Amino acid sequence: QKEVEQDPGPLSVPEGAIVSLNCTYSNSAFQYFMWYRQYSRKGPELLMYTYSSGNKEDGRFTAQVDKSSKYISLFIRDSQPSDSATYLCAMSSSGGYNKLIFGAGTRLAVHP
Amino acid sequence: EAQVTQNPRYLITVTGKKLTVTCSQNMNHEYMSWYRQDPGLGLRQIYYSMNVEVTDKGDVPEGYKVSRKEKRNFPLILESPSPNQTSLYFCASSLPGLAGGGTTGELFFGEGSRLTVL
Repeated sequence: QKEVEQDPGPLSVPEGAIVSLNCTYSNSAFQYFMWYRQYSRKGPELLMYTYSSGNKEDGRFTAQVDKSSKYISLFIRDSQPSDSATYLCAMSSSGGYNKLIFGAGTRLAVHP
Repeated sequence: EAQVTQNPRYLITVTGKKLTVTCSQNMNHEYMSWYRQDPGLGLRQIYYSMNVEVTDKGDVPEGYKVSRKEKRNFPLILESPSPNQTSLYFCASSLPGLAGGGTTGELFFGEGSRLTVL
């Protein structure tokens, strides 16, 4: 069983929809949680970073961590075609990048 | 412009022919790392370096070598490439840790090097 599970999709939604992307994990020691966005033929770039539990909002994006359920989510409101990308969750227990575990990524397509 | 630069971006080679993928960052980051990305498996860490002359194995180090002689450079060496090393490779760099020091938790990635081994 992988430490981090993420549905690969693809997920196809119409423009303006609310998108929910999720990851589950098995290691209860994880406390640093990130979402990276990867456009085609590009490297991943950090989208959201959360420490421990709770919600974090940045514009149209909201990251949510539920440590009791070992479940993290990324919500995208008013989705745009420019949001079409692969979204990778990542998490760490130690606070060091050398122990950062990535999910496999979910491909999202937002069509006009 | 702050960036991580990888070369080559695309490479087709044959089994056993040694190759090096270069990585350079201009952000004065201590931490650098190599990942490979394969469908369904996500990003898996090959090697990482906490600073000059300090390197360590990640989750999938077999068949790879690295060196860190200068802070800005972290080349990935495939001494005898095999077809199972066909993959998309990413170099990344950052400040040392996720916690404290005002870090945003950001790992900066290069644009990737697509390697095919025949």
